[in-house]
Amino acid sequence: QVVLTQSPSASASLGASVRLTCTLSSGHSNYAIAWHQQRPDKGPRYLMKVNSDGSHIKGDGIPDRFSGSTSGAERYLTISSLQSEDEADYYCQSWGSGFKVFGGGTKLTVL
Amino acid sequence: QVQLQESGPGLLKPSGTLSLTCAVSDGSISGSGKWWSWVRQPPGKGLEWMGEIYHNGNTNYNSSLKSRVTMSVDKSKKEISMKLNSVTAADTAVYYCARDFNGDFFDCWGQGTLVTVSS
Repeated sequence: QVVLTQSPSASASLGASVRLTCTLSSGHSNYAIAWHQQRPDKGPRYLMKVNSDGSHIKGDGIPDRFSGSTSGAERYLTISSLQSEDEADYYCQSWGSGFKVFGGGTKLTVL
Repeated sequence: QVQLQESGPGLLKPSGTLSLTCAVSDGSISGSGKWWSWVRQPPGKGLEWMGEIYHNGNTNYNSSLKSRVTMSVDKSKKEISMKLNSVTAADTAVYYCARDFNGDFFDCWGQGTLVTVSS
């Protein structure tokens, strides 16, 4: 079963860009993933699906500042022109036949 | 856009059975690719997928919870339900229902309901 690894924390300055990483376990580099944002004391919100070829499908109303990409077994979420409202936990999620799995999440601090 | 609303007991005693309901509005509960999941989040921790149910009643459960969890769907009421038995303090969490897009990723989430297990 696929395992997703995320760094526990990341930080970047207001107006800057940041790239968050989700690493797929060995043998699963062809898996797609989804990114979800969870603001403080709120439920998660779907951001986008990122495929193994780097293409991505965003959820409704997700700003153009959010983009996804791929390199090998790594899936990225890039947020540009950081705003204070982007301070949140970001989770990657994947799936297979009969199961779903989450990464441990990355807490993004906007300085 | 479909909306999901969880409801539950709030507080539950150890060894009891947790029962939660998710009401689906502004969308269909049935149809091709319509899977529905429960996800939980203990205080200060990450997300854990508990299991999923298809609109025809087929289910998949997280192997770590399989012996304790049961999910069901009531199409007439447009509700998804989840029961977790033999609860302990470790089951204290915010419980979310979510729609699986074609059984893959979660494209719609409820706001969650906090369940505390305590004597």
